[in-house]
Amino acid sequence: AQKVTQAQTEISVVEKEDVTLDCVYETRDTTYYLFWYKQPPSGELVFLIRRNSFDEQNEISGRYSWNFQKSTSSFNFTITASQVVDSAVYFCALSEYNTDKLIFGTGTRLQVFP
Amino acid sequence: DAGITQSPRHKVTETGTPVTLRCHQTENHRYMYWYRQDPGHGLRLIHYSYGVKDTDKGEVSDGYSVSRSKTEDFLLTLESATSSQTSVYFCAIGGLADRTDTQYFGPGTRLTVL
Repeated sequence: AQKVTQAQTEISVVEKEDVTLDCVYETRDTTYYLFWYKQPPSGELVFLIRRNSFDEQNEISGRYSWNFQKSTSSFNFTITASQVVDSAVYFCALSEYNTDKLIFGTGTRLQVFP
Repeated sequence: DAGITQSPRHKVTETGTPVTLRCHQTENHRYMYWYRQDPGHGLRLIHYSYGVKDTDKGEVSDGYSVSRSKTEDFLLTLESATSSQTSVYFCAIGGLADRTDTQYFGPGTRLTVL
């Protein structure tokens, strides 16, 4: 069965610190997709990244980077030099090729203090 | 951002009354989804649609029904609202190319059942 675990419920950092949000997933499929979404205090859900199971290359987008490791079933998200605007709840999600459904983790609340 | 709107954005209702939430898209995506977001649970899928008049149940479908008579509109109905259905409801669209495509979310509807 599909499952996504975000063990960190809340993380607090001071501005300019680096922070890593963990995501561990379970699936029996060989083809699947992993996602990260951001939910700022205003409440909307913002898509950040999509990664398929055949592409283990790490990705960097500005201060954001993602580390996908199939060997440990993890898809971790790192924010470098965090800023107050990064304060949000971050969700990791998984979808399998043969289903129509997206399974979310319970989210990690990140608070960045000035 | 994808053109997705939800109405109403906020609603307060009483136990036992029917409630209908509307999701409207202007992006011609094939798939539409309804999720609910509750503390400690992340987002959970209620129902989804893979085409006009084609719908299926998600993880938490009891007490909810849906209808999709046009590509652009997906309605979620609480047949007889209960306090346990107090939640934030998100609509999402996806499947522009195929069902594994990224889902994009609407702004959400905050529903309170007294």
